[in-house]
Amino acid sequence: GAGVSQSPSNKVTEKGKDVELRCDPISGHTALYWYRQSLGQGLEFLIYFQGNSAPDKSGLPSDRFSAERTGGSVSTLTIQRTQQEDSAVYLCASSLWGRAAGNTIYFGEGSWLTVV
Amino acid sequence: KQEVTQIPAALSVPEGENLVLNCSFTDSAIYNLQWFRQDPGKGLTSLLLIQSSQREQTSGRLNASLDKSSGRSTLYIAASQPGDSATYLCAVRTGNMLTFGGGTRLMVKP
Repeated sequence: GAGVSQSPSNKVTEKGKDVELRCDPISGHTALYWYRQSLGQGLEFLIYFQGNSAPDKSGLPSDRFSAERTGGSVSTLTIQRTQQEDSAVYLCASSLWGRAAGNTIYFGEGSWLTVV
Repeated sequence: KQEVTQIPAALSVPEGENLVLNCSFTDSAIYNLQWFRQDPGKGLTSLLLIQSSQREQTSGRLNASLDKSSGRSTLYIAASQPGDSATYLCAVRTGNMLTFGGGTRLMVKP
């Protein structure tokens, strides 16, 4: 597609429910990143994918968070048993892989999650 | 661990001023540095990418410089306009990780 697409754009959920956030990267981009931005805070790295594999899961804040990517394209970030502190905007980004020095990273508009 | 700091955290200027935003990072072994703009309620828009071998990049009224050895980058905005009001973020790429600064919130007053 023309850009990184994320859905839903907004989600309000009750504490304890599970949520799935979807990211559709730019076509041909093999690298995919998930970040979280809490209100008034900076960007917090969650996870990145190279193709379908996730070599670096160090940023996931707890075992309630998981992510997968299938077919080297769409990725889903799943948050189980949501807590109020999970409220944030979840940003997805993608880039080409290989010559890392020259690869611009492109962000989607984000999925705004509110846990009530 | 890479740490990125942006100063100032907030800046308010009258329209027409030239201004400089600063970004510093602790690990100079970077692949590249990218400046982004974020409008309220929106995602990040890439402004400029500077590769580690480059000293600066220009796009319109924007000029970004990189001094890798001292761990610094600046974003220069010429003839600022109210439409430039946004949060500006710098991010450095080290290996597979992109580490962000806390951002500078810019307000350009008409």
